[in-house]
Amino acid sequence: KAGVTQTPRYLIKTRGQQVTLSCSPISGHRSVSWYQQTPGQGLQFLFEYFSETQRNKGNFPGRFSGRQFSNSRSEMNVSTLELGDSALYLCASIQDRASYNEQFFGPGTRLTVL
Amino acid sequence: GQQLNQSPQSMFIQEGEDVSMNCTSSSIFNTWLWYKQDPGEGPVLLIALYKAGELTSNGRLTAQFGITRKDSFLNISASIPSDVGIYFCAGLNYNQGGKLIFGQGTELSVKP
Repeated sequence: KAGVTQTPRYLIKTRGQQVTLSCSPISGHRSVSWYQQTPGQGLQFLFEYFSETQRNKGNFPGRFSGRQFSNSRSEMNVSTLELGDSALYLCASIQDRASYNEQFFGPGTRLTVL
Repeated sequence: GQQLNQSPQSMFIQEGEDVSMNCTSSSIFNTWLWYKQDPGEGPVLLIALYKAGELTSNGRLTAQFGITRKDSFLNISASIPSDVGIYFCAGLNYNQGGKLIFGQGTELSVKP
């Protein structure tokens, strides 16, 4: 069974640009959560999607948004990039709402904002 | 953002030594999880704890869910070089969906 796939693995952008990151969960998993990892703030929850609906949201500005497609693949978008958005963005694949304790993480997308 | 208090921040030990790290929180959790992250990879789940007082082992790893539901510890016995990495605790409350609250991490270095 294939694991969680995130694309691209690395990305360099400049301030003011926008970026879209993609996550393909494990086959059969219906929920995807996104996290931002930085040296200063650690791992912080961004949002969670289940069956194409956002079920939970962290404390991030509206520049951070996401969506989930009918095949459970998810994208997150960051608009008007700031230097502080440089981070490793991780997505976690969850089978269903009864399996929140089993979150399988992808390798992440390393975003650098110049 | 919300974080758990995880200590120590880093550890430098000799191969064969035992290791202990812990996490505390001001809030209670339904579930405590322990992850390990290698460079360039996402966190990998090591142990999941579901009940206060629960003690669970996974090979050389042992973790406990604190009786107050506000803390957890992880022990690694007889450390080996491949134990090197960053260990994270995470708390989960089902009334907050799949939102994991993470500790700051413990960076473990093992000297052969």
